[in-house]
Amino acid sequence: AQKITQTQPGMFVQEKEAVTLDCTYDTSDPSYGLFWYKQPSSGEMIFLIYQGSYDQQNATEGRYSLNFQKARKSANLVISASQLGDSAMYFCAMREIAYNFNKFYFGSGTKLNVKP
Amino acid sequence: ETGVTQSPTHLIKTRGQQVTLRCSSQSGHNTVSWYQQALGQGPQFIFQYYREEENGRGNFPPRFSGLQFPNYSSELNVNALELDDSALYLCASSPDRGLGNTIYFGEGSWLTVV
Repeated sequence: AQKITQTQPGMFVQEKEAVTLDCTYDTSDPSYGLFWYKQPSSGEMIFLIYQGSYDQQNATEGRYSLNFQKARKSANLVISASQLGDSAMYFCAMREIAYNFNKFYFGSGTKLNVKP
Repeated sequence: ETGVTQSPTHLIKTRGQQVTLRCSSQSGHNTVSWYQQALGQGPQFIFQYYREEENGRGNFPPRFSGLQFPNYSSELNVNALELDDSALYLCASSPDRGLGNTIYFGEGSWLTVV
């Protein structure tokens, strides 16, 4: 089974509007971390936001927030007030703490296009 | 800017050849992990080095090997290159095996095998 599923290959959003990128995950490990990364065409993976499995509150970082629904195993990224520079690939990732090393599982990504 | 630098940025190799990719980790980070990202896919974990020892490996054959040096920089070596090895190779660094809130990626090395 896929560890991380991103069902939206591509999304369009109007500048200044909010957009939600979907992510579901699959793990039997009670302790895990969820991450979102942005990848522009240059290739670098830029860290956006982190949510730990035991965190009670949804994570927020500036215009980014993570809508964490543990029972549904979803970790959607919400970008508020979209900007043209937000156009990029977005990847959801998970790390299971059972591993004593940084084995991240990544989804297949969502390509976000912000329209002026 | 994450402080993680990779070289070379682009290279073209012929099937059957060998390639070495290099990574300098962020200052203070003793852990380096490597990922392969094929076109249109998410990155896949190759292996991780912590204090010069490999301490974790993904589903990659032994022709993918690595090193970490005392200054925590790292190399990824791929022998007997195949066409399917064409991908973006990403290096990421973190402190103390990185069981924290993120790992920091470099800009990657684009490898084309012809």
